[in-house]
Amino acid sequence: AQSVTQLDSHVSVSEGTPVLLRCNYSSSYSPSLFWYVQHPNKGLQLLLKYTSAATLVKGINGFEAEFKKSETSFHLTKPSAHMSDAAEYFCVVSFSGGYNKLIFGAGTRLAVHP
Amino acid sequence: NAGVTQTPKFQVLKTGQSMTLQCAQDMNHNSMYWYRQDPGMGLRLIYYSASEGTTDKGEVPNGYNVSRLNKREFSLRLESAAPSQTSVYFCASSENRGGGTDTQYFGPGTRLTVL
Repeated sequence: AQSVTQLDSHVSVSEGTPVLLRCNYSSSYSPSLFWYVQHPNKGLQLLLKYTSAATLVKGINGFEAEFKKSETSFHLTKPSAHMSDAAEYFCVVSFSGGYNKLIFGAGTRLAVHP
Repeated sequence: NAGVTQTPKFQVLKTGQSMTLQCAQDMNHNSMYWYRQDPGMGLRLIYYSASEGTTDKGEVPNGYNVSRLNKREFSLRLESAAPSQTSVYFCASSENRGGGTDTQYFGPGTRLTVL
């Protein structure tokens, strides 16, 4: 069965310091993996996605994620946090089965302090 | 190009009332989806439409019905609203090229409160 676990429900960093949001997945075959961001009272925006090409995926706003099959992880990183990065982040696994089914993690709320 | 639009943005209902949430996409996507978002639970799929003319249940379909009116529009109906349906509802769409690699594009959401 497919599942996604986001290891931290809240992460707090200072502006200018690195960001690490952790995600582990469970899948019986090679998954597609996504990170979405949701700013307060907004819809979800795609940050990046992995679809079995390069294992290091670069996304928007300086974010990137590395697919590690041996660790079943897809952690999201950014070298230097900005105040505008404060939002909720969702790790998502996708698989096909007649439609494009997404399984969402519970989310990680990122707070960025001055 | 507006992407995915939803109406209304906010709604307050009394228990037992009915309402329809509207969703439209202008990306010529084949598939459309309705999700609900509750605190600490991510998004859960209510119903989806893999292509025009088809609809199927997702993870949490009870208390809802859907209509794929045409390729652009996918509505969600609550026939008799209950407080447990208080949530934020998101519509999404994707091309559905197969293989599970599609990106889903989300609307801005409808915040529904049932008293």
